[in-house]
Amino acid sequence: EDQVTQSPEALRLQEGESSSLNCSYTVSGLRGLFWYRQDPGKGPEFLFTLYSAGEEKEKERLKATLTKKESFLHITAPKPEDSATYLCAVQARSGNTPLVFGKGTRLSVIA
Amino acid sequence: DSGVTQTPKHLITATGQRVTLRCSPRSGDLSVYWYQQSLDQGLQFLIQYYNGEERAKGNILERFSAQQFPDLHSELNLSSLELGDSALYFCASSAQTGNTEAFFGQGTRLTVV
Repeated sequence: EDQVTQSPEALRLQEGESSSLNCSYTVSGLRGLFWYRQDPGKGPEFLFTLYSAGEEKEKERLKATLTKKESFLHITAPKPEDSATYLCAVQARSGNTPLVFGKGTRLSVIA
Repeated sequence: DSGVTQTPKHLITATGQRVTLRCSPRSGDLSVYWYQQSLDQGLQFLIQYYNGEERAKGNILERFSAQQFPDLHSELNLSSLELGDSALYFCASSAQTGNTEAFFGQGTRLTVV
């Protein structure tokens, strides 16, 4: 069974204090690993897709990396507006299958 | 704006009742997914439709059903509602080929009283 575990559950950072969120996964052949941002009461907002080990993607203060067993979301010099829950999901290679999500990391950035 | 539209945004109903949630996918997307998100729970996959046909089923209760219409919009029907069905229900859509990421709507918050 495909599984995603995210850590930590919650993270509190001072503005400008860089850190990383972890996503460990087991999947029967990875088609893609996805990162989303979710604000309270809102729908998840797509951030990145990673397809193979060694791949990296960047967007503003966020950088996602992928290995064969886990992915990291690095947040550099975060700002209060980066506060949100960050969700990781995997999709198996057997085409058009649904995304399996982790429970997320709730990030709070304090000014 | 993801391009996925869900209605209604909020729904309050009594136990035992039946409701219908509606989703319009992004233009051109053939796949529609329904997810449930309860307090302190992750996104739980319910069901997927592709071009009108059921493609995958997750932890969907027998009291719940869905369909995708020829114009590709989808409806999730929840019946014999219980207090525990109170949750956020999200619809997402994706294209068949190329990028496989799913884009989510803003959700319907269902409260069963």
